[in-house]
Amino acid sequence: DQQVKQNSPSLSVQEGRISILNCDYTNSMFDYFLWYKKYPAEGPTFLISISSIKDKNEDGRFTVFLNKSAKHLSLHIVPSQPGDSAVYFCAASEIQGAQKLVFGQGTRLTINP
Amino acid sequence: DVKVTQSSRYLVKRTGEKVFLECVQDMDHENMFWYRQDPGLGLRLIYFSYDVKMKEKGDIPEGYSVSREKKERFSLILESASTNQTSMYLCASSGQVLRETQYFGPGTRLLVL
Repeated sequence: DQQVKQNSPSLSVQEGRISILNCDYTNSMFDYFLWYKKYPAEGPTFLISISSIKDKNEDGRFTVFLNKSAKHLSLHIVPSQPGDSAVYFCAASEIQGAQKLVFGQGTRLTINP
Repeated sequence: DVKVTQSSRYLVKRTGEKVFLECVQDMDHENMFWYRQDPGLGLRLIYFSYDVKMKEKGDIPEGYSVSREKKERFSLILESASTNQTSMYLCASSGQVLRETQYFGPGTRLLVL
């Protein structure tokens, strides 16, 4: 039973445009959400996070939006750059299991020049 | 900079062999994790540890065991490797502060023939 779902296995975006990656979750106990980025032959690296008390968090070109009623979050990258081409994983954790993360399947983002 | 290292980048083993995957972190982190990454399934937690000699099962512990004799080292053991354990194995560590980021190693790609 996949508690965190990324329904788009891949996404292709033109350089300079906005990339929007989506993530849905089913567990209402999740209260902290993260995005990780992974290049081939490397481990995932932390990108940005959001707590359930917020609906938006911004860090430079990256913004994460959280819609708790819809159990949906999204990552916006503006403007997209070729170096953003990677696999992006959404992850979530419960307050009780504070250090455990549940990951989505990942979305491969390709930025075309 | 946090550094998480894994003993091998690539490993080829035969069915039935005992396999050891080693992970070392240099940040004095209390928490350590083992995941496997498979296409279409994302990262799934195998085992984790909050302290030396302490371990807890993750979502898919069957066929695996772990050992944490020293704080900086967390080993994943495949007692009798099977072909369905062919995967990318990722180790991560984090501190004890609530919501602290997990830092990942580069991964070990294991092929079981």
